[in-house]
Amino acid sequence: EAGVAQSPRYKIIEKRQSVAFWCNPISGHATLYWYQQILGQGPKLLIQFQNNGVVDDSQLPKDRFSAERLKGVDSTLKIQPAKLEDSAVYLCASSSIGGNNSPLHFGNGTRLTVT
Amino acid sequence: DAKTTQPNSMESNEEEPVHLPCNHSTISGTDYIHWYRQLPSQGPEYVIHGLTSNVNNRMASLAIAEDRKSSTLILHRATLRDAAVYYCIPGGSQGNLIFGKGTKLSVKP
Repeated sequence: EAGVAQSPRYKIIEKRQSVAFWCNPISGHATLYWYQQILGQGPKLLIQFQNNGVVDDSQLPKDRFSAERLKGVDSTLKIQPAKLEDSAVYLCASSSIGGNNSPLHFGNGTRLTVT
Repeated sequence: DAKTTQPNSMESNEEEPVHLPCNHSTISGTDYIHWYRQLPSQGPEYVIHGLTSNVNNRMASLAIAEDRKSSTLILHRATLRDAAVYYCIPGGSQGNLIFGKGTKLSVKP
């Protein structure tokens, strides 16, 4: 099966600019996650979708970050305006049914550099 | 969320077994124990998960203590491609995995 697709692979922007990341999960996977991974740290969950509804967005900085999952398939994560501390790898993951007995499948991420 | 304790780093020789320990003393009774690994410049990769019984798959074995407060990931014959950061994660009820810092495994030829 095809894996989780993410684009772009790399992005460099200046602070206060906007940026968007795109994720296409594995076909049929109901649950989609966005994680942020700062260099040297483990991934941090930003938001979890079940189909097109939000399950958990408690760690999403909502003043600047937004995410949507239209039609319960693809998802976009947006940052507006970006700050220097947003420099990180943004990882998308999906799982078939959610719940803690369902492995996550990760994409290779988008590496964001904010200058 | 359950807390985990893993060594920051471990070293192994190629073709030898590797035992990666994890303590999760506050795990709840319904949390599965997940292991993922992350190679440089890649997203995390699922390795194995289990609830109470020991589990085996083509990548590794997972030994879970009887009291479920600790587990050990076993790589039976380490290869250079196994060099990665290994994360032990008690699974939340919603499937949202909370990653710690993991164990960086180095494999020497």
